[in-house]
Amino acid sequence: SAVISQKPSRDICQRGTSLTIQCQVDSQVTMMFWYRQQPGQSLTLIATANQGSEATYESGFVIDKFPISRPNLTFSTLTVSNMSPEDSSIYLCSDRDSDSYGYTFGSGTRLTVV
Amino acid sequence: AQRVTQPEKLLSVFKGAPVELKCNYSYSGSPELFWYVQYSRQRLQLLLRHISRESIKGFTADLNKGETSFHLKKPFAQEEDSAMYYCALVDSSYKLIFGSGTRLLVRP
Repeated sequence: SAVISQKPSRDICQRGTSLTIQCQVDSQVTMMFWYRQQPGQSLTLIATANQGSEATYESGFVIDKFPISRPNLTFSTLTVSNMSPEDSSIYLCSDRDSDSYGYTFGSGTRLTVV
Repeated sequence: AQRVTQPEKLLSVFKGAPVELKCNYSYSGSPELFWYVQYSRQRLQLLLRHISRESIKGFTADLNKGETSFHLKKPFAQEEDSAMYYCALVDSSYKLIFGSGTRLLVRP
Protein backbone atom coordinates (compact mmCIF):
# COMPACT_ATOMS: atom_id res chain seq x y z
CA SER A 1 0.00 0.00 0.00
CA ALA A 2 1.02 3.62 -0.51
CA VAL A 3 2.98 5.59 2.07
CA ILE A 4 1.91 9.16 2.78
CA SER A 5 4.24 11.83 4.11
CA GLN A 6 2.37 14.68 5.75
CA LYS A 7 3.79 17.95 7.00
CA PRO A 8 3.96 19.85 9.19
CA SER A 9 3.34 17.42 12.01
CA ARG A 10 2.21 20.23 14.27
CA ASP A 11 1.97 23.99 14.37
CA ILE A 12 0.82 26.78 16.62
CA CYS A 13 -0.69 29.65 14.66
CA GLN A 14 -2.08 33.07 15.37
CA ARG A 15 -5.76 33.64 14.73
CA GLY A 16 -6.46 35.27 11.39
CA THR A 17 -3.52 33.60 9.66
CA SER A 18 -3.51 30.63 7.28
CA LEU A 19 -1.67 27.31 7.32
CA THR A 20 -1.03 25.02 4.38
CA ILE A 21 -0.66 21.29 5.03
CA GLN A 22 1.04 19.09 2.47
CA CYS A 23 0.69 15.40 1.68
CA GLN A 24 3.02 13.49 -0.59
CA VAL A 25 2.21 9.93 -1.66
CA ASP A 26 4.95 7.58 -2.80
CA SER A 27 2.86 6.27 -5.69
CA GLN A 28 0.16 7.56 -7.98
CA VAL A 29 -3.28 7.37 -6.44
CA THR A 30 -6.58 8.30 -7.97
CA MET A 31 -8.36 9.49 -4.86
CA MET A 32 -7.14 11.62 -1.97
CA PHE A 33 -9.16 12.86 0.95
CA TRP A 34 -8.81 15.37 3.77
CA TYR A 35 -10.21 14.77 7.26
CA ARG A 36 -10.50 16.71 10.48
CA GLN A 37 -10.30 15.05 13.88
CA GLN A 38 -11.34 17.39 16.65
CA PRO A 39 -10.19 16.63 20.20
CA GLY A 40 -11.81 13.46 21.48
CA GLN A 41 -13.81 13.04 18.28
CA SER A 42 -13.83 10.74 15.30
CA LEU A 43 -12.68 11.64 11.81
CA THR A 44 -14.88 13.93 9.75
CA LEU A 45 -14.36 14.15 6.01
CA ILE A 46 -13.67 17.67 4.79
CA ALA A 47 -13.34 17.06 1.07
CA THR A 48 -12.23 14.79 -1.73
CA ALA A 49 -9.23 16.19 -3.57
CA ASN A 50 -9.71 15.66 -7.30
CA GLN A 51 -6.73 15.75 -9.61
CA GLY A 52 -7.14 18.43 -12.25
CA SER A 53 -10.42 19.80 -10.93
CA GLU A 54 -11.91 21.47 -7.90
CA ALA A 55 -12.24 19.55 -4.69
CA THR A 56 -15.60 18.16 -3.65
CA TYR A 57 -16.56 19.47 -0.20
CA GLU A 58 -18.74 17.84 2.42
CA SER A 59 -21.61 19.61 4.07
CA GLY A 60 -20.35 22.23 6.48
CA PHE A 61 -17.05 22.80 4.72
CA VAL A 62 -16.41 25.45 2.06
CA ILE A 63 -13.66 26.17 -0.38
CA ASP A 64 -12.99 29.67 0.92
CA LYS A 65 -12.16 28.29 4.35
CA PHE A 66 -10.40 25.10 3.24
CA PRO A 67 -8.92 25.55 -0.23
CA ILE A 68 -7.42 22.34 -1.58
CA SER A 69 -4.97 21.74 -4.39
CA ARG A 70 -4.26 18.48 -6.20
CA PRO A 71 -1.78 19.29 -8.96
CA ASN A 72 -0.90 15.66 -9.72
CA LEU A 73 -1.60 12.08 -8.66
CA THR A 74 0.94 12.07 -5.82
CA PHE A 75 0.44 15.40 -4.04
CA SER A 76 -2.22 17.49 -2.35
CA THR A 77 -2.42 20.47 -0.03
CA LEU A 78 -5.08 21.70 2.36
CA THR A 79 -5.06 25.31 3.55
CA VAL A 80 -6.87 26.33 6.70
CA SER A 81 -7.67 29.99 6.10
CA ASN A 82 -8.36 32.88 8.45
CA MET A 83 -7.94 30.60 11.43
CA SER A 84 -9.78 30.86 14.70
CA PRO A 85 -9.34 28.81 17.89
CA GLU A 86 -12.24 26.61 16.75
CA ASP A 87 -10.01 25.35 13.93
CA SER A 88 -7.67 23.77 16.47
CA SER A 89 -7.73 20.13 15.48
CA ILE A 90 -5.81 17.32 13.84
CA TYR A 91 -5.96 17.34 10.06
CA LEU A 92 -5.26 14.16 8.13
CA CYS A 93 -4.95 13.24 4.51
CA SER A 94 -5.75 9.85 3.10
CA ASP A 95 -5.68 8.01 -0.18
CA ARG A 96 -7.50 5.13 -1.74
CA ASP A 97 -4.98 2.74 -3.19
CA SER A 98 -5.57 2.11 -6.86
CA ASP A 99 -4.54 -1.55 -6.63
CA SER A 100 -5.70 -2.81 -3.25
CA TYR A 101 -8.56 -0.29 -2.74
CA GLY A 102 -7.42 0.11 0.85
CA TYR A 103 -7.12 3.50 2.51
CA THR A 104 -3.84 4.83 3.92
CA PHE A 105 -3.52 7.82 6.20
CA GLY A 106 -0.91 10.47 6.79
CA SER A 107 0.48 10.95 10.26
CA GLY A 108 -1.66 14.03 10.82
CA THR A 109 -1.06 17.71 11.49
CA ARG A 110 -1.89 18.90 15.00
CA LEU A 111 -2.97 22.52 14.67
CA THR A 112 -3.37 24.86 17.60
CA VAL A 113 -4.75 28.33 16.97
CA VAL A 114 -4.09 30.94 19.64
CA ALA B 1 -28.39 7.36 4.89
CA GLN B 2 -25.02 5.70 5.12
CA ARG B 3 -23.90 5.53 8.70
CA VAL B 4 -21.59 3.66 11.06
CA THR B 5 -22.50 3.27 14.71
CA GLN B 6 -20.11 2.28 17.46
CA PRO B 7 -22.24 2.30 20.60
CA GLU B 8 -19.44 2.07 23.16
CA LYS B 9 -17.12 5.02 23.76
CA LEU B 10 -15.02 3.05 26.19
CA LEU B 11 -14.52 -0.65 26.72
CA SER B 12 -12.42 -1.74 29.66
CA VAL B 13 -11.36 -5.36 30.10
CA PHE B 14 -8.72 -7.27 31.99
CA LYS B 15 -5.78 -8.87 30.28
CA GLY B 16 -6.69 -12.31 28.97
CA ALA B 17 -10.41 -11.55 28.79
CA PRO B 18 -12.34 -11.74 25.51
CA VAL B 19 -13.04 -8.52 23.67
CA GLU B 20 -15.88 -7.55 21.35
CA LEU B 21 -16.05 -4.06 19.90
CA LYS B 22 -19.42 -3.45 18.32
CA CYS B 23 -20.04 -1.87 14.95
CA ASN B 24 -23.33 -1.53 13.13
CA TYR B 25 -23.79 0.03 9.75
CA SER B 26 -26.50 1.43 7.55
CA TYR B 27 -25.95 0.97 3.81
CA SER B 28 -28.16 -0.01 0.91
CA GLY B 29 -26.06 -2.44 -1.06
CA SER B 30 -23.03 -4.60 -0.46
CA PRO B 31 -20.95 -2.81 2.16
CA GLU B 32 -17.18 -2.49 2.17
CA LEU B 33 -16.12 -2.32 5.80
CA PHE B 34 -12.87 -1.73 7.66
CA TRP B 35 -11.53 -1.63 11.18
CA TYR B 36 -8.80 0.93 11.84
CA VAL B 37 -6.71 1.24 14.99
CA GLN B 38 -4.94 4.25 16.41
CA TYR B 39 -2.35 3.60 19.11
CA SER B 40 -1.27 6.47 21.30
CA ARG B 41 0.61 9.08 19.27
CA GLN B 42 0.66 6.93 16.15
CA ARG B 43 -1.06 7.32 12.85
CA LEU B 44 -4.31 5.60 11.99
CA GLN B 45 -3.60 2.17 10.56
CA LEU B 46 -5.65 -0.51 8.93
CA LEU B 47 -6.44 -3.47 11.15
CA LEU B 48 -8.93 -5.48 9.11
CA ARG B 49 -11.09 -5.30 6.04
CA HIS B 50 -14.03 -7.60 5.63
CA ILE B 51 -13.18 -8.84 2.15
CA SER B 52 -9.82 -10.26 3.23
CA ARG B 53 -11.23 -12.30 6.12
CA GLU B 54 -7.81 -12.23 7.80
CA SER B 55 -6.89 -12.42 11.45
CA ILE B 56 -4.56 -9.58 12.41
CA LYS B 57 -2.96 -9.48 15.87
CA GLY B 58 -5.52 -12.07 16.91
CA PHE B 59 -8.48 -9.89 15.91
CA THR B 60 -11.23 -11.08 13.62
CA ALA B 61 -14.39 -9.47 12.33
CA ASP B 62 -17.29 -11.12 10.54
CA LEU B 63 -19.75 -9.29 8.39
CA ASN B 64 -23.32 -10.13 9.36
CA LYS B 65 -25.59 -8.66 6.72
CA GLY B 66 -28.74 -9.77 8.51
CA GLU B 67 -27.81 -7.80 11.61
CA THR B 68 -25.88 -5.15 9.62
CA SER B 69 -22.95 -5.64 11.95
CA PHE B 70 -19.19 -5.96 11.71
CA HIS B 71 -18.11 -6.57 15.27
CA LEU B 72 -14.40 -6.85 16.10
CA LYS B 73 -13.41 -9.73 18.35
CA LYS B 74 -10.37 -11.09 20.08
CA PRO B 75 -10.46 -14.11 22.42
CA PHE B 76 -7.69 -12.97 24.79
CA ALA B 77 -6.95 -9.27 25.14
CA GLN B 78 -3.38 -8.05 25.65
CA GLU B 79 -2.28 -4.80 27.27
CA GLU B 80 -0.76 -3.69 23.97
CA ASP B 81 -4.23 -3.82 22.41
CA SER B 82 -5.14 -0.67 24.31
CA ALA B 83 -5.95 1.87 21.61
CA MET B 84 -8.71 3.68 19.80
CA TYR B 85 -10.62 1.52 17.34
CA TYR B 86 -12.67 2.88 14.45
CA CYS B 87 -15.11 1.03 12.25
CA ALA B 88 -15.46 2.52 8.78
CA LEU B 89 -17.67 2.08 5.73
CA VAL B 90 -16.96 2.96 2.12
CA ASP B 91 -19.84 4.93 0.67
CA SER B 92 -21.08 4.99 -2.91
CA SER B 93 -18.53 7.71 -3.78
CA TYR B 94 -15.62 5.72 -2.32
CA LYS B 95 -15.43 8.03 0.68
CA LEU B 96 -14.62 6.41 4.00
CA ILE B 97 -17.23 7.09 6.68
CA PHE B 98 -16.07 6.56 10.24
CA GLY B 99 -17.90 5.55 13.37
CA SER B 100 -17.36 7.55 16.53
CA GLY B 101 -14.71 5.15 17.77
CA THR B 102 -14.29 2.93 20.82
CA ARG B 103 -11.42 3.28 23.23
CA LEU B 104 -10.24 -0.13 24.38
CA LEU B 105 -8.45 -0.22 27.69
CA VAL B 106 -6.86 -3.50 28.68
CA ARG B 107 -5.98 -3.58 32.36
CA PRO B 108 -3.18 -5.77 33.73
